Amino acid sequence: DQQVKQNSPSLSVQEGRISILNCDYTNSMFDYFLWYKKYPAEGPTFLISISSIKDKNEDGRFTVFLNKSAKHLSLHIVPSQPGDSAVYFCAASARAGGTSYGKLTFGQGTILTVHP
Amino acid sequence: GAVVSQHPSWVICKSGTSVKIECRSLDFQATTMFWYRQFPKQSLMLMATSNEGSKATYEQGVEKDKFLINHASLTLSTLTVTSAHPEDSSFYICSARERLRGGAYNEQFFGPGTRLTVL
Repeated sequence: DQQVKQNSPSLSVQEGRISILNCDYTNSMFDYFLWYKKYPAEGPTFLISISSIKDKNEDGRFTVFLNKSAKHLSLHIVPSQPGDSAVYFCAASARAGGTSYGKLTFGQGTILTVHP
Repeated sequence: GAVVSQHPSWVICKSGTSVKIECRSLDFQATTMFWYRQFPKQSLMLMATSNEGSKATYEQGVEKDKFLINHASLTLSTLTVTSAHPEDSSFYICSARERLRGGAYNEQFFGPGTRLTVL
């Protein structure tokens, strides 16, 4: 049962253009969402997060949009740079019992390639 | 800040032996540490949640007797793969979460991972 899905295994973008990575989830209890960047043989690096009380969060070139009714979030990278080439994972968490238990459920990842 | 290390970064062992992987939070106290494994071209799958001073909570389908987790201090958790077999070969990643402050959510910080190959 894949509760977090990234349906695009890969994305190729020209340098300077926008990269849009998509993520869908099924568990309505999820209320906190994160994006991670990962290089081969390394651990994920946190990029940006968003709480379910918001629909947008921006940090420099990275913006995450959350559409709760559609159970969909996306990561926008503008402008894209060759150094952004990596695997991007979205992850979701549900608070349990009023405290931030924080167990993460990951999507399958999307390989982003930014061409010079 | 928020650096998590893992040791070793890679290990090759013979079938039937046990392997211990360490996960350390270097500059913060981690009340909770998580252990994941990742197969090639697949997602990170949570294996277990480790809380300092208590028993780990294992995800469904993960054998607790095979994957022994110890979280003896606020900066160290260990994963021991007992009687390893070739199917245990994988990339194991730990993450650590800071001590909760006022109920606010704290992101997990990931270690660099450990590549285990069982011959």
